[in-house]
Amino acid sequence: DIQMTQSPSSLSASVGDRVTITCRASQSISTYLNWYQQKPGKAPKLLIYVASNLQSGVPSRFSGSGSGTDFTLTISSLQPEDFATYYCQQSYRTPYTFGQGTKLEIK
Amino acid sequence: QVTLKESGPVLVKPTETLTLTCTVSGFSLSNTRMGVSWIRQPPGKALEWLAHIFSNDEESYSTSLKSRLTISKDTSKGQVVLTMTTVDPVDTATYFCARIDSTMAYFDYWGQGTLVTVSS
Repeated sequence: DIQMTQSPSSLSASVGDRVTITCRASQSISTYLNWYQQKPGKAPKLLIYVASNLQSGVPSRFSGSGSGTDFTLTISSLQPEDFATYYCQQSYRTPYTFGQGTKLEIK
Repeated sequence: QVTLKESGPVLVKPTETLTLTCTVSGFSLSNTRMGVSWIRQPPGKALEWLAHIFSNDEESYSTSLKSRLTISKDTSKGQVVLTMTTVDPVDTATYFCARIDSTMAYFDYWGQGTLVTVSS
C-alpha cells in the first residue's frame, strides 16, 4: 500500500496568516493527490483534486501544488472558518490511502 | 442536487455481521463517470478507505479488510450496500459513503456519516 505522511500533524496560526501543509507519498503518485477539509462532527469536504485543481465553490485562497511524491496545500490568508483538520489522499492506486491529518488551530 | 445518506445499526455485537446501506440521489449508479466508496473514521483518528464499486460492478477493497468486506449495489434503488463480517470493537467508527470520480478517484460528495459502535 502507498503510505501518505502529512506534516505537521498540528499547526497553530492566526487569522490572515499564510499556511502550508505538506503531504509526502511513499512512492511516486504523479499528480493523483487530493485534499480534504474536515470540521468536527462533519463529513470531509473536497478542496483540491489532482494536486492543483480547485473544487467548485472552494475559495481561491486555497491552492495545491506538487507531483511525484511531494505535495503542498497552501491557504494564502487564513479565515476563521478555515480552522479544521486537513487530509491528503492518494488516488493513484487502490487501496486509496489518506494521510494522518493536519489539525489547524487558532493561535 | 447530489446527496448520499448512510443507514444501518448504531450498535453491533462483536463477531456479528455489520450491514450498511448508502442511498444516493442526484446521480445514477449506472453513470460510468462515477461510483461509490465507503470510508470510515474511528473516533479521533484518520480516514480509512474501505471499498468502492463502479457502474460496471468493478469492486476494490482495503488490503487489510478484504477478507471481511463485500460491496454491492442495486442501481434501480440507488443503493450501495457494504457488509463487514466478524466485527470487533476496533471497527467502532463513523462510516461514510462518498461519490468517487471513476477516472481520478477523488471523493466529491459525501454522506453525513453514521456512527457504529461495536460492543457487547
